[in-house]
Amino acid sequence: EAGVTQSPTHLIKTRGQQATLRCSPISGHTSVYWYQQALGLGLQFLLWYDEGEERNRGNFPPRFSGRQFPNYSSELNVNALELEDSALYLCASHPGGELFFGEGSRLTVL
Amino acid sequence: AQSVAQPEDQVNVAEGNPLTVKCTYSVSGNPYLFWYVQYPNRGLQFLLKYITGDNLVKGSYGFEAEFNKSQTSFHLKKPSALVSDSALYFCAVRDTGRRALTFGSGTRLQVQP
Repeated sequence: EAGVTQSPTHLIKTRGQQATLRCSPISGHTSVYWYQQALGLGLQFLLWYDEGEERNRGNFPPRFSGRQFPNYSSELNVNALELEDSALYLCASHPGGELFFGEGSRLTVL
Repeated sequence: AQSVAQPEDQVNVAEGNPLTVKCTYSVSGNPYLFWYVQYPNRGLQFLLKYITGDNLVKGSYGFEAEFNKSQTSFHLKKPSALVSDSALYFCAVRDTGRRALTFGSGTRLQVQP
């Protein structure tokens, strides 16, 4: 069974550009979570999608947005990129208990 | 609100010695508690969880954790450390409602040969 898959693995953008990150959950999982792991700051909760709806949002500005598609895959969009958005973005899905994480997308903003 | 504290940024232990990585939590109601491990440039791997039942939980790679309700703690332990256990360890918590996990700041475990 395939795990949570994320793309791209690495992404380099310049300040002010937009970034789009993608996530496919484990087959059968309907919930997708996004976390940001910036250097030295641990994991910060970004967004939670379930059954196509945004269920909860962390303490991030509106330029962080996303959506969940009918096949439960998800997209995270970051607009007007700032240098401090450089981080590892982790996606996770769960069947109701523990989260299963993908390998992450590393975003570098120059 | 739910929160997790990992009071040690780094834990150093010699190979073969027991290890403990500390975690305390705060939630309203009964907690769901988790431990994850992260190797360099990788995602998080699930180690173990406490939902209900026995306070001593056994997980992957010989790790275990003890739930202590009175001390609101969920410390990760292993009887004999391996060099390959060196990694970043995260404790996480959520309450029984459908909410995202809140993670601690992480503890770097360094096992010396």
